[in-house]
Amino acid sequence: GDSVTQMEGPVTLSEEAFLTINCTYTATGYPSLFWYVQYPGEGLQLLLKATKADDKGSNKGFEATYRKETTSFHLEKGSVQVSDSAVYFCALSGSNYQLIWGAGTKLIIKP
Amino acid sequence: DAGITQSPRHKVTETGTPVTLRCHQTENHRYMYWYRQDPGHGLRLIHYSYGVKDTDKGEVSDGYSVSRSKTEDFLLTLESATSSQTSVYFCAISENTSGSLKNTGELFFGEGSRLTVL
Repeated sequence: GDSVTQMEGPVTLSEEAFLTINCTYTATGYPSLFWYVQYPGEGLQLLLKATKADDKGSNKGFEATYRKETTSFHLEKGSVQVSDSAVYFCALSGSNYQLIWGAGTKLIIKP
Repeated sequence: DAGITQSPRHKVTETGTPVTLRCHQTENHRYMYWYRQDPGHGLRLIHYSYGVKDTDKGEVSDGYSVSRSKTEDFLLTLESATSSQTSVYFCAISENTSGSLKNTGELFFGEGSRLTVL
């Protein structure tokens, strides 16, 4: 069945460092791909999405490109801030109204 | 922000007691979901609804039931709570405008309900 695999955390970086959080997927057909972010004590919120191969989603300085050839959707940011500390979830659109979620990657940014 | 309210936000109960969590939305979205979030497991779907009185099971539905008698309310019930149901529960809503079965993936989440079963 469909699945999403994320790199395990926590990922700890210094402020202004470059961020990559890896996400790979297994799916039939052509799913849409998503990154959600969860700040401490809050629910998840959509960060960015891509609906077809080679699409690049972007928001708040984060980017991710839908790579069908490598079945990946890695999240990147050029210069992270302390306020980016959160848990990041990769997901894909499965059938029947459901999303398939990765386990989440906790990001810790130190000043 | 999407209008989603979960209640209660925190609850402590004892094994064997019934518990109902409520999700209320003001967005008139068709689809509503209940997830649980546990360390190391990410989000797991319990039940979802695609309309009034239309519900279906998710991957971890055992021990849970749901009801949706109005568009705005989606109730999650634990008939007899167990310690394994200690978790944070999230409600989410979405509106599929694509006309297909495929979820657009744009979910809006509530702030969560932390349940502790002693």
